[in-house]
Amino acid sequence: EAQVTQNPRYLITVTGKKLTVTCSQNMNHEYMSWYRQDPGLGLRQIYYSMNVEVTDKGDVPEGYKVSRKEKRNFPLILESPSPNQTSLYFCASSLQFPPYYEQYFGPGTRLTVT
Amino acid sequence: DQQVKQNSPSLSVQEGRISILNCDYTNSMFDYFLWYKKYPAEGPTFLISISSIKDKNEDGRFTVFLNKSAKHLSLHIVPSQPGDSAVYFCAAISNSNSGYALNFGKGTSLLVTP
Repeated sequence: EAQVTQNPRYLITVTGKKLTVTCSQNMNHEYMSWYRQDPGLGLRQIYYSMNVEVTDKGDVPEGYKVSRKEKRNFPLILESPSPNQTSLYFCASSLQFPPYYEQYFGPGTRLTVT
Repeated sequence: DQQVKQNSPSLSVQEGRISILNCDYTNSMFDYFLWYKKYPAEGPTFLISISSIKDKNEDGRFTVFLNKSAKHLSLHIVPSQPGDSAVYFCAAISNSNSGYALNFGKGTSLLVTP
């Protein structure tokens, strides 16, 4: 089954404790992206990747890191999480860049930073 | 600054009637528009898209209309069904010399009542 998976689905952590949210797709998509969804703000893009070893900042990259060592994986790293990073995070992938092709979204990761 | 605006946070429609969801944008460089649907506890799913060179695209019960002069697009759902109850996001893509940008609106929550 073609899908984008994220782990964990739910995470509660404390300020400053490094964490990684994994994202994996099995569709051989070149383009992958991370978004956060906050009440009243909709979806905002954090980082995106056009292909392996190619990443670029989206609208809200501060406080986040990403890597794309393999085509299928695109982890989101929070080196020192802060409460303002409490949010619902979505990973997405699409066949090519730019994403004129439909993006497939993962199920989301709800992160709470206390 | 929000470049894609969905000014109606919510909409309620009776089953069988037409649902019209609206989206306005400010960036004339946007050349591709997409609509996504999102159910609670799931990632957004692609619904329909339209290129800026067209003014209408239809897929079954879903039709997207684009009015470039007014910088406005709308999604029509006819006839509306209870299963259409979800949050709908409008998104726009620009691809210029300064790079690529993807912008989402804040979403409109549609409720279709039996």
